[in-house]
Amino acid sequence: EDQVTQSPEALRLQEGESSSLNCSYTVSGLRGLFWYRQDPGKGPEFLFTLYSAGEEKEKERLKATLTKKESFLHITAPKPEDSATYLCAVNTGFQKLVFGTGTRLLVSP
Amino acid sequence: GAGVSQSPSNKVTEKGKDVELRCDPISGHTALYWYRQSLGQGLEFLIYFQGNSAPDKSGLPSDRFSAERTGGSVSTLTIQRTQQEDSAVYLCASSFDSLSYNEQFFGPGTRLTVL
Repeated sequence: EDQVTQSPEALRLQEGESSSLNCSYTVSGLRGLFWYRQDPGKGPEFLFTLYSAGEEKEKERLKATLTKKESFLHITAPKPEDSATYLCAVNTGFQKLVFGTGTRLLVSP
Repeated sequence: GAGVSQSPSNKVTEKGKDVELRCDPISGHTALYWYRQSLGQGLEFLIYFQGNSAPDKSGLPSDRFSAERTGGSVSTLTIQRTQQEDSAVYLCASSFDSLSYNEQFFGPGTRLTVL
């Protein structure tokens, strides 16, 4: 069974304090790993897609990386507006995303 | 351009009543997906459409749940004889097509509360 595990469940950072979120996966065949951001009361907002081990993508203070077993979302010098729940999902070729339970990030000024 | 829209944004109903949730995908997107997000749990896949066809209904929790899509656009998720355990946020997403590497873009969701 395809599984996605995210850690930590919650993370509290001071503004400017860099850190990483982890997404480990066990799948039969990876066809894409997706990162989303979700704010309270809203739908997930697409951030990145990664397809193969070694791939990296960046957007502002966020950088996503992928290995054969896990993905990391690195947050450099975060700001309070980066506070949100970050979701990781995998697509194994069956047209549905399997999601982890997310990491709740709180960045304090 | 316009994103995925869903209506209503909130729905409160009594146990045993039927409810209909609507999703309007991004224009030009042929694939449409329904997910459910319960408190403290990850998003759970329910069903997806490619055009008007639903090749995968495996995620529907029971035969009380059904969905249809007409004209390759708007989709309706219907829950009959609602139960309290149906309370959740129902999210709709669309993508350009159903190829597995295409990003799915989500709507704001419908929060369903069954009393």
